[in-house]
Amino acid sequence: NAGVTQTPKFRVLKTGQSMTLLCAQDMNHEYMYWYRQDPGMGLRLIHYSVGEGTTAKGEVPDGYNVSRLKKQNFLLGLESAAPSQTSVYFCASSLIRGETQYFGPGTRLLVL
Amino acid sequence: SQQGEEDPQALSIQEGENATMNCSYKTSINNLQWYRQNSGRGLVHLILIRSNEREKHSGRLRVTLDTSKKSSSLLITASRAADTASYFCATDMGETSGSRLTFGEGTQLTVNP
Repeated sequence: NAGVTQTPKFRVLKTGQSMTLLCAQDMNHEYMYWYRQDPGMGLRLIHYSVGEGTTAKGEVPDGYNVSRLKKQNFLLGLESAAPSQTSVYFCASSLIRGETQYFGPGTRLLVL
Repeated sequence: SQQGEEDPQALSIQEGENATMNCSYKTSINNLQWYRQNSGRGLVHLILIRSNEREKHSGRLRVTLDTSKKSSSLLITASRAADTASYFCATDMGETSGSRLTFGEGTQLTVNP
């Protein structure tokens, strides 16, 4: 099993450009999450999903949209990138709410 | 403010020594989890301790939970250079928090060979 995978690994955007980050998991997990990690701030939850076709806002949702059209995929979109969105983005999934989360390797995003 | 706060922010020890990291939180929890993050990598789950448990072991890891003090500690015994990483605690506050875990800011552990 590949676990949780993320594409791309690294991306540079100009302010105002859009992009989509893809997360895929092959563990048949219901719950999926998108986090951002900034120096000295730990992980902050952007959006999450409790099952196919569902999404919900996390702690820092502004400027991001998500979709979960298939159970195994969770997409994070930036419609108009801003320098404040420069960060490392992690996707995670879990089988049971509130329990062990499995993380992907991360996507480093630089917005100029 | 953070639900989980780790202490110390950074810890440097020699190989073979024990490393202790602490986590404090503010509200009642269902469980508390510890994760490790190697530089440039994703987080890896280490151990989960439930609110009705006081201590748990996994290999060289020992986790304690004191719900009266709202604190937890992670002890790594006989540390190795490969243990160098950031360690995060994360709390599950139950259904009222949705499906989220709340992560602390982490402790950076350096084990010198």
